[in-house]
Amino acid sequence: DAGVIQSPRHEVTEMGQEVTLRCKPISGHNSLFWYRQTMMRGLELLIYFNNNVPIDDSGMPEDRFSAKMPNASFSTLKIQPSEPRDSAVYFCASRLGGGLDEQFFGPGTRLTVL
Amino acid sequence: GDSVTQMEGPVTLSEEAFLTINCTYTATGYPSLFWYVQYPGEGLQLLLKATKADDKGSNKGFEATYRKETTSFHLEKGSVQVSDSAVYFCALSDSSGTYKYIFGTGTRLKVLA
Repeated sequence: DAGVIQSPRHEVTEMGQEVTLRCKPISGHNSLFWYRQTMMRGLELLIYFNNNVPIDDSGMPEDRFSAKMPNASFSTLKIQPSEPRDSAVYFCASRLGGGLDEQFFGPGTRLTVL
Repeated sequence: GDSVTQMEGPVTLSEEAFLTINCTYTATGYPSLFWYVQYPGEGLQLLLKATKADDKGSNKGFEATYRKETTSFHLEKGSVQVSDSAVYFCALSDSSGTYKYIFGTGTRLKVLA
């Protein structure tokens, strides 16, 4: 298996633009997580899906952020409008089953908002 | 709520030195505990895990023991290598039923030749 796939790997955009980050989880995994990593705040869980249904979105910073999982093999994280403080590395992770199973992380998308 | 506290970095060691990275947790239930490692420019990878008290997780020479009495899960390695330079994250699986992970802030390790 190719592992968790994220695209793009790098994104540079200007303030106010819409940004869409994409994730393909490992085939057969039924949980998907979006994280944000910054030097100041460390690794933060943004949202968690189970069987394509959002279970916990309490980490989504504000209404400018939205996430969807239309099917088991694809998820998006959208920021509209983007702001410089959104600059971070965004990771997607997937997991086969419950809490004892390992989360597999993608390589991340480095977002820079100018 | 549940939380994880790990030692501040960076930690700088010479090759073949002994490594300890401290991690303590608070949890209302009986979480599973994990150590993840992040190499430069990459995502996190599971290093080891323990699912119940007194379990010892081990991998690649690293070890950590789930200590319920001290609510700790310290990471140790007897002899570090330059290739171990990375950021190490302690995590627990939330005991509320959602099984989401709660991560510590990470500890950067730099090993000098």
